[in-house]
Amino acid sequence: AQKITQTQPGMFVQEKEAVTLDCTYDTSDQSYGLFWYKQPSSGEMIFLIYQGSYDEQNATEGRYSLNFQKARKSANLVISASQLGDSAMYFCAMRGRDPTGTASKLTFGTGTRLQVTL
Amino acid sequence: DSGVTQTPKHLITATGQRVTLRCSPRSGDLSVYWYQQSLDQGLQFLIQYYNGEERAKGNILERFSAQQFPDLHSELNLSSLELGDSALYFCASSEGYWGTEAFFGQGTRLTVV
Repeated sequence: AQKITQTQPGMFVQEKEAVTLDCTYDTSDQSYGLFWYKQPSSGEMIFLIYQGSYDEQNATEGRYSLNFQKARKSANLVISASQLGDSAMYFCAMRGRDPTGTASKLTFGTGTRLQVTL
Repeated sequence: DSGVTQTPKHLITATGQRVTLRCSPRSGDLSVYWYQQSLDQGLQFLIQYYNGEERAKGNILERFSAQQFPDLHSELNLSSLELGDSALYFCASSEGYWGTEAFFGQGTRLTVV
């Protein structure tokens, strides 16, 4: 079984500042992937960044970086130079293998609502 | 634009009715996943298809069924609808079982009245 925990229901950050959104996970799988998604008020789910469990370097995509600490089972999202358009719900998710090892699915956390202020 | 197309975007229907949600995956993607997002349950995985075959089942009710066609588009059928089925239904696709990306469609917002 997999579990994703996002302990911050809501966060505020000032424009142009950096912000870290926390995510911890629990899995018994040796191989897994970690994802972050952004969901603006319009409802769509936007893929941001991916980290594989065997990747040695932290993933980065533009202003997004994933602070992956495998021993601590954490995969925090760092957004640098926040913009007003970053205001949204952010979900951490994990993909593992089911007991038969033949399928994958995404397990989501409960999300963090980020509000960027002037 | 993620490349995943879902129709319709909005659907309002009465209790007891049946609806079909449609999803076209990104070009080249063989896996299709269906998710339900509701206020009380959050994002829940329903079912996955890979190249036309069912590969994984999550919290999908017996009243719900899905299939993936030879052209790889997928349909989610919801029947005997209840008020609690009101939710945002997402389709996602990825290239294989173990994609490093999973792109979501814009979702279908289902309201059961």
